[in-house]
Amino acid sequence: ETGVTQSPTHLIKTRGQQVTLRCSSQSGHNTVSWYQQALGQGPQFIFQYYREEENGRGNFPPRFSGLQFPNYSSELNVNALELDDSALYLCASSLRVNTEAFFGQGTRLTVV
Amino acid sequence: GDSVTQMEGPVTLSEEAFLTINCTYTATGYPSLFWYVQYPGEGLQLLLKATKADDKGSNKGFEATYRKETTSFHLEKGSVQVSDSAVYFCALSDRNDMRFGAGTRLTVKP
Repeated sequence: ETGVTQSPTHLIKTRGQQVTLRCSSQSGHNTVSWYQQALGQGPQFIFQYYREEENGRGNFPPRFSGLQFPNYSSELNVNALELDDSALYLCASSLRVNTEAFFGQGTRLTVV
Repeated sequence: GDSVTQMEGPVTLSEEAFLTINCTYTATGYPSLFWYVQYPGEGLQLLLKATKADDKGSNKGFEATYRKETTSFHLEKGSVQVSDSAVYFCALSDRNDMRFGAGTRLTVKP
């Protein structure tokens, strides 16, 4: 059984650019959530996808958007990058909504 | 809204010492509670969970009991090891998101 995998592991972007982060969920998991973890802080919920539909969203602006595909993999897109978007982005998959989440290793995004 | 407050760190202990990391929560419903651990440069790993009041979660010598009356889920371990050095996060899940505490960094010295 493969776990949650994210790509890329590290990324450097310039302010104003756009970025796409990718996540493959654990086998059999139909729910994917994305989190932003700033340095020294706990993860903050961005949004969740369940069976290809957005199923909840945290306090993040619309320039943070996502997709879930029929195989339950997912993308996080961030437009018009700002310096404060620099963080570790974590993807987590769950067997179903409101059960324990299994996290990937994260993508470290640096915006310069 | 729902939230989690956990003991501020960092916490430094000697090997074989007793560990307690306090966690309290605020929730309108009946959340599930979790402890996650994060080792340097890695994502979060589920350590233990409890889904209802009075449940005790346990794993690798760590324990936490879901206390509804005190809205707490304190993490304990009787004898810590150097390999337990990491950041520990308390979290709750009530609907479709998970709320995390700020994390407590634990360092265990030989």
